[in-house]
Amino acid sequence: LAKTTQPISMDSYEGQEVNITCSHNNIATNDYITWYQQFPSQGPRFIIQGYKTKVTNEVASLFIPADRKSSTLSLPRVSLSDTAVYYCLVGDMFSGGYNKLIFGAGTRLAVHP
Amino acid sequence: DGGITQSPKYLFRKEGQNVTLSCEQNLNHDAMYWYRQDPGQGLRLIYYSQIVNDFQKGDIAEGYSVSREKKESFPLTVTSAQKNPTAFYLCASSIPSPDYGGYTFGSGTRLTIV
Repeated sequence: LAKTTQPISMDSYEGQEVNITCSHNNIATNDYITWYQQFPSQGPRFIIQGYKTKVTNEVASLFIPADRKSSTLSLPRVSLSDTAVYYCLVGDMFSGGYNKLIFGAGTRLAVHP
Repeated sequence: DGGITQSPKYLFRKEGQNVTLSCEQNLNHDAMYWYRQDPGQGLRLIYYSQIVNDFQKGDIAEGYSVSREKKESFPLTVTSAQKNPTAFYLCASSIPSPDYGGYTFGSGTRLTIV
């Protein structure tokens, strides 16, 4: 399973765009990149998933360069409620009906008024 | 609504007692997982199960046990052999589909040993 590296913490202000970059140099051909959000005392929640190029949904965008050795989660116009821990995970999501995703310490995003 | 239910939300036990955490899902997912999270840390895998009556140890299985008698249920027992059981425990399930975000998590059980 590919190891990921992401910043330990980030600070932002309401209304700003936040970009969190994740490094995954050993990503394998079948690996997908998935981002989760976790609030205190809650289970992580799926945000976005991608394989290459750009993926966008109603809450975020995920940018993946051609070499796929990194990815950037973009949160547009953050609000105080976006204060959370964000995890970047890389793994083969679909092999054998299961996968063992490795959750690192994540990036603690603090959004200030 | 489909989802994963963990109970109880808070659990207090005396040192030396075994305790069982419940995890039930109605998502028809084949795979289920148990993670442990300590304050300020990421999630660590305890056990996982791909199919009924089969389960595998994760990275920190010592002092824990599980069963998978039904597809919907994956209870975790924290035994007295677990040296530091106070933690936040998360159950998850998954389905292998590119149209799905991998894992669905429960809301967690916070276990405190007193």
